[in-house]
Amino acid sequence: NAGVTQTPKFQVLKTGQSMTLQCAQDMNHNSMYWYRQDPGMGLRLIYYSASEGTTDKGEVPNGYNVSRLNKREFSLRLESAAPSQTSVYFCASGETVHPSTDTQYFGPGTRLTVL
Amino acid sequence: AQSVSQHNHHVILSEAASLELGCNYSYGGTVNLFWYVQYPGQHLQLLLKYFSGDPLVKGIKGFEAEFIKSKFSFNLRKPSVQWSDTAEYFCAVIGSSASKIIFGSGTRLSIRP
Repeated sequence: NAGVTQTPKFQVLKTGQSMTLQCAQDMNHNSMYWYRQDPGMGLRLIYYSASEGTTDKGEVPNGYNVSRLNKREFSLRLESAAPSQTSVYFCASGETVHPSTDTQYFGPGTRLTVL
Repeated sequence: AQSVSQHNHHVILSEAASLELGCNYSYGGTVNLFWYVQYPGQHLQLLLKYFSGDPLVKGIKGFEAEFIKSKFSFNLRKPSVQWSDTAEYFCAVIGSSASKIIFGSGTRLSIRP
């Protein structure tokens, strides 16, 4: 099992460019999550999907969109990148449909720089 | 609003020293609590979790944490650290019927061999 995979590992964008971060899990998990990690701020939830076909906003959703393409894949899109979106992005998946009791399994992260 | 505080940003210990990392939360209701760890070059992974029952929970690699409801705390402990415990540790809190987990800012632990 590969677990949770993310592509790309690194990306540099110019302000205003768009891009999609890809995430896939092969553990047949129901829930999936997108976080950003900034120095001194820990992980902040951007969006999550408790089950296939549903998505909900997290703590910091502005400037992002998500798609739960199927049970395996959950993508994060930046329509018009801004320097404030420079961060490390983590995808995670969880076994249940209940975020409050989920053990989350994390991917390796994508380091994004917006110039 | 719910929040999580990890006051120790960087802790440096010698091998065999005892460890306690602080985690305090603010939330107006029943909570579920987690500690996650990120070893250098590895993915974040679950160390331990508390939902209910015995407030002293044991996790992997000899770690334990104690939930003290009156102090809104969930401190992580290990009686004798090893060099391999060098990592970043994150406390996380979620309301027991909520949907949005909140992570603390993390504590970087460095162990001197």
